[in-house]
Amino acid sequence: AQSVTQPDIHITVSEGASLELRCNYSYGATPYLFWYVQSPGQGLQLLLKYFSGDTLVQGIKGFEAEFKRSQSSFNLRKPSVHWSDAAEYFCAVIWSGSARQLTFGSGTQLTVLP
Amino acid sequence: DGGITQSPKYLFRKEGQNVTLSCEQNLNHDAMYWYRQDPGQGLRLIYYSQIVNDFQKGDIAEGYSVSREKKESFPLTVTSAQKNPTAFYLCASSTSGGAGDEQFFGPGTRLTVL
Repeated sequence: AQSVTQPDIHITVSEGASLELRCNYSYGATPYLFWYVQSPGQGLQLLLKYFSGDTLVQGIKGFEAEFKRSQSSFNLRKPSVHWSDAAEYFCAVIWSGSARQLTFGSGTQLTVLP
Repeated sequence: DGGITQSPKYLFRKEGQNVTLSCEQNLNHDAMYWYRQDPGQGLRLIYYSQIVNDFQKGDIAEGYSVSREKKESFPLTVTSAQKNPTAFYLCASSTSGGAGDEQFFGPGTRLTVL
């Protein structure tokens, strides 16, 4: 079955430090890739998405992600983390021909230390 | 303001009771979705609808039912057949249900079975 893996359940960084959240997906048809953020008790907000073209995509709130087909990865990065970035982050994939169904990873909880 | 509303925010029910969760959108989107979120897991698709009067089962439809009588509304009923209904439920919508469409999420309903 097609799957999305976020290997880090919880990450802690200091404010101002750089951040990288990992996402790997199982190999299959062409993927459409997404990163969402969720604040406690809230819905999800789209940070960025990749469909084709330049493999480095820019999103909102200073986030970026790089698609690496050879590694089946779509890691999320931010050069300098702010306290307000503390939240849970979800990677999600739609495989072309999959009835357009989003498959989510299990999420990475980000804690930011002052 | 355009968006998705879910009500109520918190819902309690006794075992053996059916309960209906409301989801309304004023974004004029054709497609709507219901997801279930459990701690430590990503979102799992329950049902989705790409057009009025039509809907399809997602990965975990057993014990749930939906209707789509109006474009802006997609209520979810959690029936007594759902073995473990306590969870956070998220509704989403997108323009047409295409693979590249961003899904916009509501704030969620937390259901607790007593």
